[in-house]
Amino acid sequence: EPEVTQTPSHQVTQMGQEVILRCVPISNHLYFYWYRQILGQKVEFLVSFYNNEISEKSEIFDDQFSVERPDGSNFTLKIRSTKLEDSAMYFCASSELRGSGELFFGEGSRLTVL
Amino acid sequence: DAKTTQPPSMDCAEGRAANLPCNHSTISGNEYVYWYRQIHSQGPQYIIHGLKNNETNEMASLIITEDRKSSTLILPHATLRDTAVYYCIVGAGGTSYGKLTFGQGTILTVHP
Repeated sequence: EPEVTQTPSHQVTQMGQEVILRCVPISNHLYFYWYRQILGQKVEFLVSFYNNEISEKSEIFDDQFSVERPDGSNFTLKIRSTKLEDSAMYFCASSELRGSGELFFGEGSRLTVL
Repeated sequence: DAKTTQPPSMDCAEGRAANLPCNHSTISGNEYVYWYRQIHSQGPQYIIHGLKNNETNEMASLIITEDRKSSTLILPHATLRDTAVYYCIVGAGGTSYGKLTFGQGTILTVHP
């Protein structure tokens, strides 16, 4: 069964450092998303991406965040200068259809900012 | 998107049906009901969705009331591996660009 893969599974970084989280969406999917979940809290939408541009973003997704599809397979989330409150599980997801609520999520990348 | 209300936790015996309720009394005509689950901090997993009619797939059944103000997810024969947080999510027209609004969900514990 096709799946969304994410790397790294866990990253520890110092406050102020840049972090790039990587995702390989399902190959025939065209819509890509990042969500995050702070420990013990809800899963929160960050951003959606289609046709090489952001479709929608949440208030959380400020100027410190950026997304990119650098090639035909990868989808990345960059945090420019990490803060302690960026510590969370970051989930990548993809979907086949525009506006579909049927998303396929990866297993997540745990980011720990010290 | 309409708000949903779910019980914080439920128990179910292994092999029995698990019936998870969800209230979405402010749902509007073009909003779908989606169910996801999250097993121990893994990525959320899509289960099923519906608009008006009841739906069934290999994982579960979704029963939506006629007025669409509530729904029930049914896992017909729960197993220990079904222990998870179950989220009921309402979104318009397939949701705005895949933006799902997760609540706290229902923690389902399946016991032997």
